[in-house]
Amino acid sequence: DIQVTQSPSTLAASVGDRVTFTCRASQYISSWLAWYQQKPGKAPKLLIYAASSLDNGVPSRFSGSGSGTEFTLTISGLQPDDYATYYCQQYNSFSIAFGQGTRLEIK
Amino acid sequence: QVQLVQSGAEVKKPGASVKVSCKASGYNFTNFHMHWVRQAPGQGLEWVGIINPSGGSTTYAKKFQGRVTMTRDTSTGTFDMELSSLRSEDTAMYYCARDIVLVPAAPGWIQHWGQGTLVTVSS
Repeated sequence: DIQVTQSPSTLAASVGDRVTFTCRASQYISSWLAWYQQKPGKAPKLLIYAASSLDNGVPSRFSGSGSGTEFTLTISGLQPDDYATYYCQQYNSFSIAFGQGTRLEIK
Repeated sequence: QVQLVQSGAEVKKPGASVKVSCKASGYNFTNFHMHWVRQAPGQGLEWVGIINPSGGSTTYAKKFQGRVTMTRDTSTGTFDMELSSLRSEDTAMYYCARDIVLVPAAPGWIQHWGQGTLVTVSS
């Protein structure tokens, strides 16, 4: 099974910062990667799919890049509403796996 | 708009089974795959499996094979997930979650989520 590993597990940043999250797949997955944001007590929200496509209504400060086995999610100009946990997710042959998550904290 | 309304919280004893329901509305029921995802308290997301609402075919995560059954009822627009032989580690919030891609194209991205159903397994 293909696994995805996120780093770091926790990230502290200030409003206005540019922050980058990393996700590594255990095998080649082309662009079959998504990113989600989850706030406490809420369901996750899709941000990015197919590695770099922004879902409808997601602010343009969010961007995704990468292919193959290494992927990044970048927030350009951190806003107070962005403090949350971020998960990557890979898809392969009708099977899905989530990363363990990166918690974004206020610095 | 797309709505996924799940059944209420459940408390079960170890060894029992639980069925969680998800009523879908606001879109063509047979057009999008439905996933089930769970999240244990304070933990990350875990994919349980997926069902194609058009033909009813399913794929389950290896961890749950033999214990999980996913079904759909096209007449009522409802998806069900049944998990058997429950143990304390199955205590979690269970979500139904609709894919973004039209059937029969390959699914992969989860755009719409139910409100979650808390399943507690305790003796």
